[in-house]
Amino acid sequence: EAQVTQNPRYLITVTGKKLTVTCSQNMNHEYMSWYRQDPGLGLRQIYYSMNVEVTDKGDVPEGYKVSRKEKRNFPLILESPSPNQTSLYFCASGTGNTYEQYFGPGTRLTVT
Amino acid sequence: SQQGEEDPQALSIQEGENATMNCSYKTSINNLQWYRQNSGRGLVHLILIRSNEREKHSGRLRVTLDTSKKSSSLLITASRAADTASYFCATAMNTGFQKLVFGTGTRLLVSP
Repeated sequence: EAQVTQNPRYLITVTGKKLTVTCSQNMNHEYMSWYRQDPGLGLRQIYYSMNVEVTDKGDVPEGYKVSRKEKRNFPLILESPSPNQTSLYFCASGTGNTYEQYFGPGTRLTVT
Repeated sequence: SQQGEEDPQALSIQEGENATMNCSYKTSINNLQWYRQNSGRGLVHLILIRSNEREKHSGRLRVTLDTSKKSSSLLITASRAADTASYFCATAMNTGFQKLVFGTGTRLLVSP
C-alpha cells in the first residue's frame, strides 16, 4: 500500500531534550516536505527536499533541522525543543510529474 | 507566508444540502488544489485545477477557478455526514517545484 508513515504519532517531551520525528514513504517520490499545523494558522512549511541530499528552508524553519540521506526517509530533528514548537506535524511526499502531495498521519508533539 | 484564505471559516449544513467553500489567493499560480482533513488526521488530496482550467468535476465535487479574481470555489453536492471535515485550498506557484502554500481551512459539519 502506497503510504507515508511517521513516528512517533504522539510525543510529550521537555524543553531542551533533542528529538527526531521520522518520516518514510514507499512511493519513490523525489519531493518530501514537513509542515506544522497550528489552530488558526493552517499548515506552514518547515523544510522541504527536492531529492537526496537536497534540502531547503520553508516558511518556518527556525528551531528545526532535516536531512535526506535516502530517497524514502526525511527525518525532522528538533535539537532543543521549546514550548512554541508544540504543534501537529505532517510529513508529505510528491513526485515531479504531478503537484499532488501525499500526507502522513501526523505527529502530535507537546513540549513542556 | 499565507497564500490562500478560505471562506467561510466554518459551515454547518444538513445531509443532502450542497456545501460551497471559497478560496482567495494573492499571487499567480500554476495550479490550485483542495485537500480534506478529518479531525487530527493527515490531509487527503481531493482535486487539482490548473491555471488554464476554469472548472473541474470529480464525483460530487465541483471546483471552479477564476484567475482574474484570484479565487476558487469548492462545491460538494448532496453532502453526507461522512463529508464532515476541514477543507483546505493549496496553491502551487510557477516556481518549477512542488511548493504548496495552504490556506487556513473551512470546517464543514454535515448533520444527519
